[in-house]
Amino acid sequence: NAGVTQTPKFQVLKTGQSMTLQCAQDMNHEYMSWYRQDPGMGLRLIHYSVGAGITDQGEVPNGYNVSRSTTEDFPLRLLSAAPSQTSVYFCASIFGGELFFGEGSRLTVL
Amino acid sequence: GENVEQHPSTLSVQEGDSAVIKCTYSDSASNYFPWYKQELGKGPQLIIDIRSNVGEKKDQRIAVTLNKTAKHFSLHITETQPEDSAVYFCAASRMDSNYQLIWGAGTKLIIKP
Repeated sequence: NAGVTQTPKFQVLKTGQSMTLQCAQDMNHEYMSWYRQDPGMGLRLIHYSVGAGITDQGEVPNGYNVSRSTTEDFPLRLLSAAPSQTSVYFCASIFGGELFFGEGSRLTVL
Repeated sequence: GENVEQHPSTLSVQEGDSAVIKCTYSDSASNYFPWYKQELGKGPQLIIDIRSNVGEKKDQRIAVTLNKTAKHFSLHITETQPEDSAVYFCAASRMDSNYQLIWGAGTKLIIKP
């Protein structure tokens, strides 16, 4: 099993551009989530999904959209990137309370 | 809502010594407290967790203690080794909330040779 796979690993955007961070898992976990990690702030939940077709907002959802058309995929969309969205983004699936993280996507918005 | 504070932000210990990282939480209804280890360039990985019905849990060189009255929990690493160098995160949640964790800010643990 590959676990949780995130692409791209690095991305530079200009303010106002849009992009999608991809996340795929092969463990058949129902629950998936997106976090952002900023220095000194730990991990903050952006959006989560408890199953295909169901998504909900987390702690910091503004500026981000998600969809969950299949159990395996949970993409995160930035519609109009802002410098405040410069961060490292982690996708995770959850089973039995344990989070299984991808290796992260480092996004820089200029 | 829940708030989790973690101290210290950086901890430097001599190889072979013990390391202790402490967290406090605010929501008395929280009942699940995991610890994650994040190595450079990787995502966090669960190393140990504790539920509110126990006060201590051990797994080889690592242990977690929980004081529900004081609302704090701690990670203890004994006989530290170079591979213990990483960032450690504590978190808290209610098990009936789809495990929506509230995270501490992290502790960078440095093991000096």
